[in-house]
Amino acid sequence: NAGVTQTPKFRVLKTGQSMTLLCAQDMNHEYMYWYRQDPGMGLRLIHYSVGEGTTAKGEVPDGYNVSRLKKQNFLLGLESAAPSQTSVYFCASTVTGGNIQYFGAGTRLSVL
Amino acid sequence: DQQVKQNSPSLSVQEGRISILNCDYTNSMFDYFLWYKKYPAEGPTFLISISSIKDKNEDGRFTVFLNKSAKHLSLHIVPSQPGDSAVYFCAASAETGTYKYIFGTGTRLKVLA
Repeated sequence: NAGVTQTPKFRVLKTGQSMTLLCAQDMNHEYMYWYRQDPGMGLRLIHYSVGEGTTAKGEVPDGYNVSRLKKQNFLLGLESAAPSQTSVYFCASTVTGGNIQYFGAGTRLSVL
Repeated sequence: DQQVKQNSPSLSVQEGRISILNCDYTNSMFDYFLWYKKYPAEGPTFLISISSIKDKNEDGRFTVFLNKSAKHLSLHIVPSQPGDSAVYFCAASAETGTYKYIFGTGTRLKVLA
């Protein structure tokens, strides 16, 4: 059972390049989240979605955009990557009414 | 402003002994708390949770204690096993319905055989 799958697992970008991180879940969860994890900072919420076609800003949304065109997919876009966006990105999902988030394995992104 | 704090970045414990991981929070509106465990190169996985209406929740070797007056929760692992070596995050939420959580910075637990 796949659960939450993130692609790619690793990526190196040059400053100014763009990319999209894909999150796919096969648990029919309504809620999906994007976090970034930085040393000494814990997990910080970037954007989240409470259902297909809806998105909302989290704690650190600047420099990122998201889309939830299909219930099972949540995309995180970086339009013009900056070195400050070097981080490990985690996607998570949860059912409506549920408190437990299920995480993907993460995407390690380096921006040079 | 860090609303959820884990002041111990790391902890080492002998196998078989008790591990106690601590978490402090500042927002009195937090009403649900979770602990996640994270192994290297993997995403966090849910471990145990507690609602603010309780002061203790137990699941096998894992017990979470909540002291609302002190705004403090702790995770006890008894007995500790080498497989428990991981990073532990506590998380708290005050926004029922969005399930948005504030995570602590994590504590790296090392259980020595």
